[in-house]
Amino acid sequence: KAGVTQTPRYLIKTRGQQVTLSCSPISGHRSVSWYQQTPGQGLQFLFEYFSETQRNKGNFPGRFSGRQFSNSRSEMNVSTLELGDSALYLCASSFGGSGYNEQFFGPGTRLTVL
Amino acid sequence: ELKVEQNPLFLSMQEGKNYTIYCNYSTTSDRLYWYRQDPGKSLESLFVLLSNGAVKQEGRLMASLDTKARLSTLHITAAVHDLSATYFCAAGLLLIFGTGTRLQVFP
Repeated sequence: KAGVTQTPRYLIKTRGQQVTLSCSPISGHRSVSWYQQTPGQGLQFLFEYFSETQRNKGNFPGRFSGRQFSNSRSEMNVSTLELGDSALYLCASSFGGSGYNEQFFGPGTRLTVL
Repeated sequence: ELKVEQNPLFLSMQEGKNYTIYCNYSTTSDRLYWYRQDPGKSLESLFVLLSNGAVKQEGRLMASLDTKARLSTLHITAAVHDLSATYFCAAGLLLIFGTGTRLQVFP
């Protein structure tokens, strides 16, 4: 069974640009969550999508947005990049139903903003 | 708002020794996770604890959960170099993570 995949794995952008990251969940999983990991702030929850709808959202500015497609693949977009957006972005997928759902993490996309 | 605290932040230990990492969370959570992260890598799930008194063991690692004390522990027995990594606990439905414990095991 294929795991969670993320593309691209590495990305370099400059301030003011925008970026789109992609996440393909494990087959059958309908929930995709996104996390940002930085040395200063640690691992922080960005948002969760389930069945093409944003179900939960963390405390990030509106520059961070996402969407989910009918095949459960998800994209995350960051507009007007800032130096502080440099981070490892992780996505995780799960079945997403009620009750306990173990999340499986992808390899991450490392974004560097210059 | 759920907050998760881990200690210690750094742990340097000799091979063969035992140690415990602590994870406290601020509000009720019906689940507690432990993850391992190697440098530059993603998160690997170690344990999921779903009830008070739950104890799980895998190799030299054992995790437990006390929901009344809002405390989980990750106990390392007879540490080996391969256990060197950063360990995170996380609580809640949306995975609120602790700060992580960077473990270094030396000969």
